[in-house]
Amino acid sequence: DAKTTQPTSMDCAEGRAANLPCNHSTISGNEYVYWYRQIHSQGPQYIIHGLKNNETNEMASLIITEDRKSSTLILPHATLRDTAVYYCIVRFWMDSSYKLIFGSGTRLLVRP
Amino acid sequence: DAGITQSPRYKITETGRQVTLMCHQTWSHSYMFWYRQDLGHGLRLIYYSAAADITDKGEVPDGYVVSRSKTENFPLTLESATRSQTSVYFCASSESGNTIYFGEGSWLTVV
Repeated sequence: DAKTTQPTSMDCAEGRAANLPCNHSTISGNEYVYWYRQIHSQGPQYIIHGLKNNETNEMASLIITEDRKSSTLILPHATLRDTAVYYCIVRFWMDSSYKLIFGSGTRLLVRP
Repeated sequence: DAGITQSPRYKITETGRQVTLMCHQTWSHSYMFWYRQDLGHGLRLIYYSAAADITDKGEVPDGYVVSRSKTENFPLTLESATRSQTSVYFCASSESGNTIYFGEGSWLTVV
């Protein structure tokens, strides 16, 4: 299973873009990159996912490098409510099921 | 649209007692998962299920039992609770190959 590496913490100013990096150098060709966030101790909230193309939805954009060994989650206009722990996860198939293995994530603090 | 619900949301129990955490989803998703999250740490996979009557161990299955007699329910039982099982437990579900959605968690304290 591919592991991910993220910075422990980051901060950004409210209204600015938040760029959260993630390394997944051992990712396999058919494994997706997923991003979730967790606010306080609520259930993890799905943000976005991608395989090799860049993706955008109403919450964020996901930029995946051409070699797929790293990606960046972009929150284009961060608000105070975006303060959370962000998890970059490689979803893989093993033992008859898709699995998400969580790391420690990046704690994002959005400053007023 | 209820989605995925967990009960109880909060539970205090004594060491050695049996505890069951319930998980119910209304989407008829095939896959269901149980994770635990200890204070200040990420989530760890306990058990998962690919369909009714099919279950498998995750990263940290010891001390837990699961069953899946119906597609929509995936109860997690602590047969003899220990203090080290004090944690927040998250249930999740997904349809094959799609996004995994999480419940709001069950806070369990074992005293």
